[in-house]
Amino acid sequence: AQKITQTQPGMFVQEKEAVTLDCTYDTSDPSYGLFWYKQPSSGEMIFLIYQGSYDQQNATEGRYSLNFQKARKSANLVISASQLGDSAMYFCAMRELSYTGTASKLTFGTGTRLQVTL
Amino acid sequence: DTGVSQNPRHKITKRGQNVTFRCDPISEHNRLYWYRQTLGQGPEFLTYFQNEAQLEKSRLLSDRFSAERPKGSFSTLEIQRTEQGDSAMYLCASSRDRTEQYFGPGTRLTVT
Repeated sequence: AQKITQTQPGMFVQEKEAVTLDCTYDTSDPSYGLFWYKQPSSGEMIFLIYQGSYDQQNATEGRYSLNFQKARKSANLVISASQLGDSAMYFCAMRELSYTGTASKLTFGTGTRLQVTL
Repeated sequence: DTGVSQNPRHKITKRGQNVTFRCDPISEHNRLYWYRQTLGQGPEFLTYFQNEAQLEKSRLLSDRFSAERPKGSFSTLEIQRTEQGDSAMYLCASSRDRTEQYFGPGTRLTVT
């Protein structure tokens, strides 16, 4: 079963508009973390934002916010005031306890390619 | 803070040859991770170290793959007897304990 699902292979948004990138997840662990990363064409994964499963408030980092709906198991990324430089692949990822009992690896979705237009 | 670095950035090798990649993590980070990313997919976890101890290996990691992190600093990932299916981007990341992971620029491997 897929642990992280990103159903939007590609999205377009006009400059200065807001855009929401969808992410749903599946886990039976009560303690987990959710991450969003940006991957420009250069290939480097850039950390954007983190949400812990016990965090009461939605995470925000500048123009990025995470719309965390625990009951729906969704962790959508909202980018406000889009800029041309936001054009990239965006990956949602989850960190769970591994079989060794440590919280280590990230499990990634297949990503959403965002294109910001003029 | 110079970030995570990886060398080489690109490697082209013939099938059957051995290759080794190096990752230098952010200096104060005690955890180091290796991931593999193929075209159109998200990164897939390969293995991770806490200090010098290799604590977890993915079932994706065949016997031809080995990773080390001597002295808990830099890490190497070796692939023996490369196959065309090994062609991918190999990403290294580091973190301080359970905090967010910071990724390096990756090593793109092409096996011909």
